[in-house]
Amino acid sequence: EPEVTQTPSHQVTQMGQEVILRCVPISNHLYFYWYRQILGQKVEFLVSFYNNEISEKSEIFDDQFSVERPDGSNFTLKIRSTKLEDSAMYFCASDIGGAGGTQYFGPGTRLLVL
Amino acid sequence: DAKTTQPPSMDCAEGRAANLPCNHSTISGNEYVYWYRQIHSQGPQYIIHGLKNNETNEMASLIITEDRKSSTLILPHATLRDTAVYYCIVPQYNFNKFYFGSGTKLNVKP
Repeated sequence: EPEVTQTPSHQVTQMGQEVILRCVPISNHLYFYWYRQILGQKVEFLVSFYNNEISEKSEIFDDQFSVERPDGSNFTLKIRSTKLEDSAMYFCASDIGGAGGTQYFGPGTRLLVL
Repeated sequence: DAKTTQPPSMDCAEGRAANLPCNHSTISGNEYVYWYRQIHSQGPQYIIHGLKNNETNEMASLIITEDRKSSTLILPHATLRDTAVYYCIVPQYNFNKFYFGSGTKLNVKP
């Protein structure tokens, strides 16, 4: 069964460093998403991406964040200069689109900023 | 997104049916009801979704009231592995972002 994959599973970085989180969505899906979950808190929407552009983003997704689909398979989230409060689980999801479309989530990347 | 209300926690005996309620009284006519679950800190797992009719798949059944203002997720024979946080989500039509509330923590006990 097709699934969303994410790498790395864990990443530790120093405050101020750049990180890139990678996702491989399900192959025939057209919509891509990033969510995050700070430990003990709710899952929060960050951004959605369709047709090579951002379709919607939350207040969390500020200028420090960017997304890219560099090739036909990967979808990346870049955090330009990490802060302590960026420590969280980051989940990628993909969706074939259309009314009633279903988002399938990856296993997540646990990011720890020291 | 239409606001959803779920009880914070529920207990269920192993082997019994787990019935998880959700209120979504502000739902619009073309908005779907989705159910996901999250086990520990794993990625949210899709369970089922529906618009108006009741739905069933290999994991669960979804019962939507006729006025669509509430729904119930039914796990017919709960196992210990079904212990998780269950989220009822009603995304705004034509907007695909999901709003995850606090969900219902289901504790399946032996």
